[in-house]
Amino acid sequence: AQSVTQPDIHITVSEGASLELRCNYSYGATPYLFWYVQSPGQGLQLLLKYFSGDTLVQGIKGFEAEFKRSQSSFNLRKPSVHWSDAAEYFCAVGEPPGTYKYIFGTGTRLKVLA
Amino acid sequence: EAQVTQNPRYLITVTGKKLTVTCSQNMNHEYMSWYRQDPGLGLRQIYYSMNVEVTDKGDVPEGYKVSRKEKRNFPLILESPSPNQTSLYFCASSPRTELEQYFGPGTRLTVT
Repeated sequence: AQSVTQPDIHITVSEGASLELRCNYSYGATPYLFWYVQSPGQGLQLLLKYFSGDTLVQGIKGFEAEFKRSQSSFNLRKPSVHWSDAAEYFCAVGEPPGTYKYIFGTGTRLKVLA
Repeated sequence: EAQVTQNPRYLITVTGKKLTVTCSQNMNHEYMSWYRQDPGLGLRQIYYSMNVEVTDKGDVPEGYKVSRKEKRNFPLILESPSPNQTSLYFCASSPRTELEQYFGPGTRLTVT
């Protein structure tokens, strides 16, 4: 069965430090890949997405993610974290083509130390 | 303003009392979906709809019903709620599956 794994439940980093959030998926083909962010008490907002092409994708708020087919991974990175980045981050897989099913990971909660 | 709205935002109810959570989008999106979010489990898809009168089950459809009679609306119906349906519910819409989903603000449901 298709699955998405975010192995880190909680991550704490200092403001200004770099960040990498891990995401691994299990799927027979290359799925559509997404990262969403959920600020406390809010809905989810898309950070970035990958469908095909360049394996390094840029998103909003200075985030980027790299798709590595050999590792079935789609890790999220940011070179310098800001206190406002404290939130929960979800990796998601959309099953192509057009099956309309989405699978979300269990999320990684990011804490930023001043 | 382009948005997905959900009502109510908070609801406390008792076991067995039928309820409906409404979802409406003003972006003319074809695709809509319902999720529940539970601690440690992330978001799990309940039902989704590809267009008017076209719906299908997600991963956790038991105990829920949906309908899509109009493009903009996608209500979630709990005909006999149980305590294990206490959760945070999100509605989302998208013009196509390849594109991002736009999420509503969430509905926190407590079933006692």
